[in-house]
Amino acid sequence: QKEVEQDPGPLSVPEGAIVSLNCTYSNSAFQYFMWYRQYSRKGPELLMYTYSSGNKEDGRFTAQVDKSSKYISLFIRDSQPSDSATYLCAMRKYSGGGADGLTFGKGTHLIIQP
Amino acid sequence: GAVVSQHPSWVICKSGTSVKIECRSLDFQATTMFWYRQFPKQSLMLMATSNEGSKATYEQGVEKDKFLINHASLTLSTLTVTSAHPEDSSFYICSATSGSQETQYFGPGTRLLVL
Repeated sequence: QKEVEQDPGPLSVPEGAIVSLNCTYSNSAFQYFMWYRQYSRKGPELLMYTYSSGNKEDGRFTAQVDKSSKYISLFIRDSQPSDSATYLCAMRKYSGGGADGLTFGKGTHLIIQP
Repeated sequence: GAVVSQHPSWVICKSGTSVKIECRSLDFQATTMFWYRQFPKQSLMLMATSNEGSKATYEQGVEKDKFLINHASLTLSTLTVTSAHPEDSSFYICSATSGSQETQYFGPGTRLLVL
């Protein structure tokens, strides 16, 4: 079993719809959870960053973390064609003040139809 | 803020040659830089962690003698793929974080094609 599972899609929705993206993970040591957006042949761009369980909202984006279920979600409201990209979930363990590399999901390819 | 650049953006080389990729943090001091590799339709995989002034820490399965990492300053890390082979063709991406940041900022990536 991979440490982080993410459905690669593609996920195609009409413009204006609410998009739900999610990841499951197996390692209970993960404490920090992130969502990145990646356009084709580009580096990932940080969208949301959360620590432990709970919700975080930023504009049209809401990130949810449920550590008891080892499940994280990203919701996009009022989706736009410009949101079409690959969305990567990423997570890392608590490193005691240092920096640790991230463990990524495969990414979900999202298509917003005009 | 938090801009990371990479150079070159793409490179084609012959099998057996060495390729150097640079990663720079443009507007912050990166105490730690990471190198990832992404094969088509696969997730980004961490290759190594590089702290300024220290030897890099490599992930299991990554050959340290093949992928040489140097982090000589707080704004620059380099990855050298030595004696590159076609199976090393991939998308190489660096990320950087400072001591006060918990998030990593990624460069735009370098696409390597070994013929």
